Amino acid sequence: RKEVEQDPGPFNVPEGATVAFNCTYSNSASQSFFWYRQDCRKEPKLLMSVYSSGNEDGRFTAQLNRASQYISLLIRDSKLSDSATYLCVVNIPRGGNKLTFGTGTQLKVEL
Amino acid sequence: EPEVTQTPSHQVTQMGQEVILRCVPISNHLYFYWYRQILGQKVEFLVSFYNNEISEKSEIFDDQFSVERPDGSNFTLKIRSTKLEDSAMYFCASSEEGQAYNEQFFGPGTRLTVL
Repeated sequence: RKEVEQDPGPFNVPEGATVAFNCTYSNSASQSFFWYRQDCRKEPKLLMSVYSSGNEDGRFTAQLNRASQYISLLIRDSKLSDSATYLCVVNIPRGGNKLTFGTGTQLKVEL
Repeated sequence: EPEVTQTPSHQVTQMGQEVILRCVPISNHLYFYWYRQILGQKVEFLVSFYNNEISEKSEIFDDQFSVERPDGSNFTLKIRSTKLEDSAMYFCASSEEGQAYNEQFFGPGTRLTVL
């Protein structure tokens, strides 16, 4: 089983739509969870950390379900500028603070 | 806003040659990392570095790879004898501290092409 699993997409949605991405992770020792955004041929950039209580940042809402080992990201009122690949990332602290990335879900927001 | 910088942005080399990829982490950060991303694939961890020592390394980081912090600002990744399969984007990252919840800031990457 992959350490971090995501649907690669692409998700093609019209501007203004709400879109949800899901992610599962296999290691129950995972301690921290993130969504990163990656534009084509660019570096990953932190979109938001994900907390057990769920957290919201503007149009973005992230949820974590530790029991199911499941993470989600909801984007409301999507903009053209949201088009990117969204990376689900977990951190299993073993001394090196290594981030483990999913393959990413590609989002294309269209007019 | 402080940022991680990397040079060169693109490096082309012949198989078997040595390459050194350079990074300048954010100045007050203490933890440094290298990741790589083969075209079309996921970002993969290579190595983490703290207090002039490797903290953790992946299976990818074999004897052909080494890291160094030669001075107070640079952090380098050396590949001794490049292979075709080393062609990838190499990202340097840094974090202020080493807790799992600390954000890692990524540099813009060096695209390595091995011919």
